[in-house]
Amino acid sequence: EIVLTQSPGTLSLSPGERATLSCRASQSVSSSYLAWYQQEPGQAPRLLIYGASSRATGIPDRFSGSGSETDFTLTISRLEPEDFAMYYCQQYGSSPWTFGQGTKVEIK
Amino acid sequence: EVQLLESGGGLVQPGGSLRLSCAASGFTFNNYAMTWVRQAPGKGLEWVSSISGFGGSTYYADSVKGRFAISRDNPKNMLYLQMNSLRAEDTAVYYCAKVSRKVVVAATIDHWGQGTLVTVSS
Repeated sequence: EIVLTQSPGTLSLSPGERATLSCRASQSVSSSYLAWYQQEPGQAPRLLIYGASSRATGIPDRFSGSGSETDFTLTISRLEPEDFAMYYCQQYGSSPWTFGQGTKVEIK
Repeated sequence: EVQLLESGGGLVQPGGSLRLSCAASGFTFNNYAMTWVRQAPGKGLEWVSSISGFGGSTYYADSVKGRFAISRDNPKNMLYLQMNSLRAEDTAVYYCAKVSRKVVVAATIDHWGQGTLVTVSS
C-alpha cells in the first residue's frame, strides 16, 4: 500500500500569510490521482483539490495544488480565518486508498 | 444539492454487530460509486469500504475484510455497512461518502455525510 507522509504536522501562521503543505508518497501515485481535503473541528471533510491540481467546485482560487509522482503540495496563498483547519491528502490511484496523517494549520 | 445522512451508530459490545445506513439524495444514486471512511477519536481518516454504482464490485480495507459487508439499494437510494465481530479498534465516526464516478478505480470522494459514531466497548 502507498504510505502518504504529510509535513509539517502543525503549521502556525497568521491570517494573510501563505501556507505550504507537503504530502510525500512512498511510491509513485498513478496519474497524479492525489486529492486534498479540509476538515474543520467537528465537521466532515471537504474536497479541495483532485488530480493533484484541479480545484473542486466552489473552492476559492487561493487554494492550489501541485506536484507529481511522489511529491505533492497544497498552497493557500493568503490565509483567511476560515482556513485554519486540518488538511489531509489522499491517493486514489491504487488500492487501498490511503490518507496522510494530516497537517493542522493553526493561528499563530 | 447532494445530501448524505448516516444513521445506525451507537454503543455495542465487543464481538457484537451493527448496521449503518446512509440515505442519499440530490444526485442520480446508481450513477456513482459510494464509500465508507472512518475516523477514530482524535485520529486521521481511514478508508473502510467502497462499492460500485450497480453494486457489482466491492472493496474492503484489510482491517475489516471478512467482518464488514457493504451493500446498496439503488431504488431506495440507500447505502449500508453491516459490521460484525466488532472490536474496540473499530470505534470511530463512520462517514458515508459519494465517489466521483460509477466505478471506484481512479475516482475520488467528492461529497461527505456528517458521520455517525460507533463505540465498541463493554
